[in-house]
Amino acid sequence: KNEVEQSPQNLTAQEGEFITINCSYSVGISALHWLQQHPGGGIVSLFMLSSGKKKHGRLIATINIQEKHSSLHITASHPRDSAVYICASSGSRLTFGEGTQLTVNP
Amino acid sequence: EPEVTQTPSHQVTQMGQEVILRCVPISNHLYFYWYRQILGQKVEFLVSFYNNEISEKSEIFDDQFSVERPDGSNFTLKIRSTKLEDSAMYFCGDAAELNYGYTFGSGTRLTVV
Repeated sequence: KNEVEQSPQNLTAQEGEFITINCSYSVGISALHWLQQHPGGGIVSLFMLSSGKKKHGRLIATINIQEKHSSLHITASHPRDSAVYICASSGSRLTFGEGTQLTVNP
Repeated sequence: EPEVTQTPSHQVTQMGQEVILRCVPISNHLYFYWYRQILGQKVEFLVSFYNNEISEKSEIFDDQFSVERPDGSNFTLKIRSTKLEDSAMYFCGDAAELNYGYTFGSGTRLTVV
């Protein structure tokens, strides 16, 4: 059974700081997703990656298949980045981590 | 940008009643999913649907639950005889292909009283 673990659970940062959220999973997967959940509850897909690195604006996601580990980085963080960030492993279904509550203060 | 539409956004129902949650997936997507998130917990898989039939379901998805695609566009989740512990946010998701990127709806918050 695949387990997905995220750290930290909660993260508070000052505007402009570089942020890293980590995700590890226990078994081989086809892809790893990073998702964003806002206070209203809706989920937005940020990245899906199976190797290497992807970048979109100030967000960067990396994955190390051998170590079963992925990271989400946010450069020059802004208060509007405040949300819950969730990683999820992909097979025939998504297996979700607990999420990281990020708060960026001005 | 194409989106997945879920209705209603909120539903309050009496324990024991039946509810139907509706989803309109993106038109050319083939794989459909229901997930739920109980308040304060992680998102959990309920069921996946492909080619007009269930392709996989979790242990949560028992006889109380059913899914169908009644008219080729809507994708529904029916919960019969709701229980207090069914209170959760229910998300519909879809994908163009297996192991492709997902698009999620904005969710239906179900409260059973």
